[in-house]
Amino acid sequence: GQQVMQIPQYQHVQEGEDFTTYCNSSTTLSNIQWYKQRPGGHPVFLIQLVKSGEVKKQKRLTFQFGEAKKNSSLHITATQTTDVGTYFCAGRTGGSYIPTFGRGTSLIVHP
Amino acid sequence: EAGVAQSPRYKIIEKRQSVAFWCNPISGHATLYWYQQILGQGPKLLIQFQNNGVVDDSQLPKDRFSAERLKGVDSTLKIQPAKLEDSAVYLCASSLEGTGVNYGYTFGSGTRLTVV
Repeated sequence: GQQVMQIPQYQHVQEGEDFTTYCNSSTTLSNIQWYKQRPGGHPVFLIQLVKSGEVKKQKRLTFQFGEAKKNSSLHITATQTTDVGTYFCAGRTGGSYIPTFGRGTSLIVHP
Repeated sequence: EAGVAQSPRYKIIEKRQSVAFWCNPISGHATLYWYQQILGQGPKLLIQFQNNGVVDDSQLPKDRFSAERLKGVDSTLKIQPAKLEDSAVYLCASSLEGTGVNYGYTFGSGTRLTVV
């Protein structure tokens, strides 16, 4: 079955440093979504990428979808303590309505 | 707009007891999902409804889990009997999703189930 791997599992950074999490699929994806879950909270939808090579930005967050549509990344520039949380990717194959979530990358920002 | 409502927020039960969770999706969202999130893992889909019909329940442990969405609006998820490994957060989500169109999901706050 489809698998979505996310790395790293945890990332500690000093406030102001950059952060990147990577998502890799064993199969070609039709789209990929990214979610953020604050400690004790629920996942909140951030963005969806559909096109090969697509890059989207939301303020300090940059999302990329690979050319082969098998990988994606989320990059945060100059992290802030408000960025703390777990970032999940969720990939969907063309024939399925069901996105598969990665295990998430937990970001810890030290002030 | 109001978010996805879930209740209860917390539930502690003994193994072999039964439990039910309730979800009310965002008004107008035809698609409703129940996810199980075990600590330290990503959400795992249990069941997906489109209006009041089941789209996918392939990952639902049907010997103990059941779910319904009778009028195409709110939904209940039941576990009977519960096992220790059912301890998790049960998340309900809804979306505008329709055939061939994918949207982001809006999650509720979840129900944290502890089975002792």
